[in-house]
Amino acid sequence: EIVLTQSPGTLSLSPGERATLSCRASQSVSLSYLAWYQQKPGQAPRLLIYDAFSRAAGIPDRFSATQSGTDFTLTISSLEPEDFALYFCQHYGSSPPRLAFGGGTKVEIK
Amino acid sequence: EVQLLESGGGLVQPGGSLRLSCAASGFTFSTYAMSWVRQAPGKGLEWVSGISGSSDNTFYADSVKGRFTISRDNSKNTVYLQMNSLRGEDTAVYYCAKGLGWFDSWGQGTLITVSS
Repeated sequence: EIVLTQSPGTLSLSPGERATLSCRASQSVSLSYLAWYQQKPGQAPRLLIYDAFSRAAGIPDRFSATQSGTDFTLTISSLEPEDFALYFCQHYGSSPPRLAFGGGTKVEIK
Repeated sequence: EVQLLESGGGLVQPGGSLRLSCAASGFTFSTYAMSWVRQAPGKGLEWVSGISGSSDNTFYADSVKGRFTISRDNSKNTVYLQMNSLRGEDTAVYYCAKGLGWFDSWGQGTLITVSS
């Protein structure tokens, strides 16, 4: 079973700054089956990234993602006020499916 | 536009049962797997269960296996989650989500509170 560890737990930044969020898998993941979500209070999660680095429809290009082995990174190049939220990574693609989420990173206004 | 609308949440006693429904629209329902994902208050996300488009295959998290049953009715564009032997740790917002990989569409969620 893959465990995803997200860091840091909280990121305190100002609008316009760059945010770098990490998600580490406990073992080598199937190809690049990793997604990133944004969640705001009282709302359902919103898909940002799938297949490790593909942006979902309608997601601004200030959101980007990379993979290096078992380390995945979500970068927000310049934080907008609406980007302050909770972010989760998720692994999929195992057989049988055992979908796993990371614990989340909160991006808060400094 | 894809829409997923959950219903059936509420307060239930430990050991009790509840059935959630998720009505889908805006896509060809029968061609997509569907999942349930939950989020305990103030906590992270946990995938609970998934079902293939044809209902041939169902999958469960270990935490709910043997207690929860996922099903779907493609004629009604609806997916269900039958929850039995409910425990306090099942208290969460339950989301219906399209797919069994990444989730590009989510419902608004329905709150299940297990408490005496």
